[in-house]
Amino acid sequence: KAGVTQTPRYLIKTRGQQVTLSCSPISGHRSVSWYQQTPGQGLQFLFEYFSETQRNKGNFPGRFSGRQFSNSRSEMNVSTLELGDSALYLCASSLGQGQGETQYFGPGTRLLVL
Amino acid sequence: GQQLNQSPQSMFIQEGEDVSMNCTSSSIFNTWLWYKQEPGEGPVLLIALYKAGELTSNGRLTAQFGITRKDSFLNISASIPSDVGIYFCAGLNSNSGYALNFGKGTSLLVTP
Repeated sequence: KAGVTQTPRYLIKTRGQQVTLSCSPISGHRSVSWYQQTPGQGLQFLFEYFSETQRNKGNFPGRFSGRQFSNSRSEMNVSTLELGDSALYLCASSLGQGQGETQYFGPGTRLLVL
Repeated sequence: GQQLNQSPQSMFIQEGEDVSMNCTSSSIFNTWLWYKQEPGEGPVLLIALYKAGELTSNGRLTAQFGITRKDSFLNISASIPSDVGIYFCAGLNSNSGYALNFGKGTSLLVTP
């Protein structure tokens, strides 16, 4: 089975711009979760989608949003970028169906905001 | 979510030595996961644990789900240079959502 894929792998933006990141989960997985990784804060949960519905949301401002399509692919969007949004954005896919949950990560998108 | 207490923060060992790291939480989990991350890559799943007391091995790696459901440890035996990386623990309680709670990681360096 192909693993989780994320595009693009690297991105450079300037403050105030917006960005859209894409994630394709493992075939058959219906849950996609997004995480932000920074040296200072570590790995932090952004949100989780299952069957096109956001089920869980982390403690991030409304500038961070996401969606999931009927084929389980997911996108996340960050509007009005700030310098502090520079990070590695990781998505993880899983079956999303209760106990025995295991999340598999993609390679990440490294975002640099100048 | 909460940040888990993972220790040690870093380890610098010689090839062939055994390594032990652990993770504790103030909340109970029904899943503990251990990942390894190398520079420029996403975390790779090493071991998944689903039951309190469970002991699971994957080659030279062994991990246990603590009986209190608030802790887990990972052991690496006979370390080799390619074990270098950052190891993360992650806990999940699927009864209250699907957000993984992560430790800050253990950075492992192995000298030949």
